Amino acid sequence: AQKVTQAQTEISVVEKEDVTLDCVYETRDTTYYLFWYKQPPSGELVFLIRRNSFDEQNEISGRYSWNFQKSTSSFNFTITASQVVDSAVYFCALSESSLRDYKLSFGAGTTVTVRA
Amino acid sequence: SAVISQKPSRDICQRGTSLTIQCQVDSQVTMMFWYRQQPGQSLTLIATANQGSEATYESGFVIDKFPISRPNLTFSTLTVSNMSPEDSSIYLCSAGQVEAFFGQGTRLTVV
Repeated sequence: AQKVTQAQTEISVVEKEDVTLDCVYETRDTTYYLFWYKQPPSGELVFLIRRNSFDEQNEISGRYSWNFQKSTSSFNFTITASQVVDSAVYFCALSESSLRDYKLSFGAGTTVTVRA
Repeated sequence: SAVISQKPSRDICQRGTSLTIQCQVDSQVTMMFWYRQQPGQSLTLIATANQGSEATYESGFVIDKFPISRPNLTFSTLTVSNMSPEDSSIYLCSAGQVEAFFGQGTRLTVV
């Protein structure tokens, strides 16, 4: 069963528009970690945020914000006032404490294209 | 945060040959992980590498095809053996429990 679902395959926006990426996860653990990564065309995986299951406080970092809701098992990511440099594939991932080595389960990714 | 250096960054290899990818971390870590990302796909875990023990492989990956070494707490290698065009992927290493930072990846093309 898919542990992390990113239902949006591709999103295309015009510069300065806001874009929200959805992430729904599935786990029976009470302790787990959620991540967002950005993968630009160059291929490297850039860490954006890690959130543990006991911290439901939303977070804002510059133009990025994250909305964690345990009640709906969602960890959504919003880019405000998007820029062309935000064009990339974005991955949501889950790490579960019941897995001894905390390995990551990735969603399928959402390709974001920001047009000038 | 850990800084992870991976090399080579890219390579083009002939089918039937092998390529060893190196991953160096700037601090000691217990866990290192190797992932494969096939073209247009998400990341799939190949194996977990612990220092001083055999790597633990995920379903669908075997040691003969992807031998891994972990000689110390800062270094690991992944070898892609007897390559075929289906092995063309980005291979990424990751280090640390929970922190989950990644190297810049190795883009492999098999011709």
